[in-house]
Amino acid sequence: AQSVTQLGSHVSVSEGALVLLRCNYSSSVPPYLFWYVQYPNQGLQLLLKYTTGATLVKGINGFEAEFKKSETSFHLTKPSAHMSDAAEYFCAVRGAITGANNLFFGTGTRLTVIP
Amino acid sequence: GAGVSQSPSNKVTEKGKDVELRCDPISGHTALYWYRQRLGQGLEFLIYFQGNSAPDKSGLPSDRFSAERTGESVSTLTIQRTQQEDSAVYLCASSKSLYGYTFGSGTRLTVV
Repeated sequence: AQSVTQLGSHVSVSEGALVLLRCNYSSSVPPYLFWYVQYPNQGLQLLLKYTTGATLVKGINGFEAEFKKSETSFHLTKPSAHMSDAAEYFCAVRGAITGANNLFFGTGTRLTVIP
Repeated sequence: GAGVSQSPSNKVTEKGKDVELRCDPISGHTALYWYRQRLGQGLEFLIYFQGNSAPDKSGLPSDRFSAERTGESVSTLTIQRTQQEDSAVYLCASSKSLYGYTFGSGTRLTVV
């Protein structure tokens, strides 16, 4: 069954500090994994995705994530937090049905950046 | 249009009334998805349309929920006899492929 678990519904970091948002997945097929960001009163925007190939993927706004099959993880990181990074972040995994395009989302992690 | 458009942006309705939410996908996007986001929770998959295939309705929480899509255009999500637990933000997304989800800004539904 497809699912993602995001550890920590709220994460607070100081401006300039490392951002680490955790995501573990369960998938019955080779996973395609995604991170989305949601700013207040807006829809979700794609940050980055892993499908095949290089396990370290880089996204927008300086974020990156590493796919670790042995740990079934896809944690999101950014070396130095900016105030503008404050938002809700969602990890997602694709559906298992061949050809299906639907995504299954985690419950989200709200990132607060402290000045 | 340039993005996914949802209307209304906010809807307040009385318990027991029916509501209809609308989603205008990006032109050319064959796939369309509806998700529900309750306060403090993640996105809950509701329904998925792919081209002319039969929709995947596996996420609809009850028979009070239904959705339609004509071809590759507008979709409507209808909730009959609304209940307070239906209060949530309803998000629509469209895509040409797995990699290109574009979300709308959502409809915030409040059932009083």
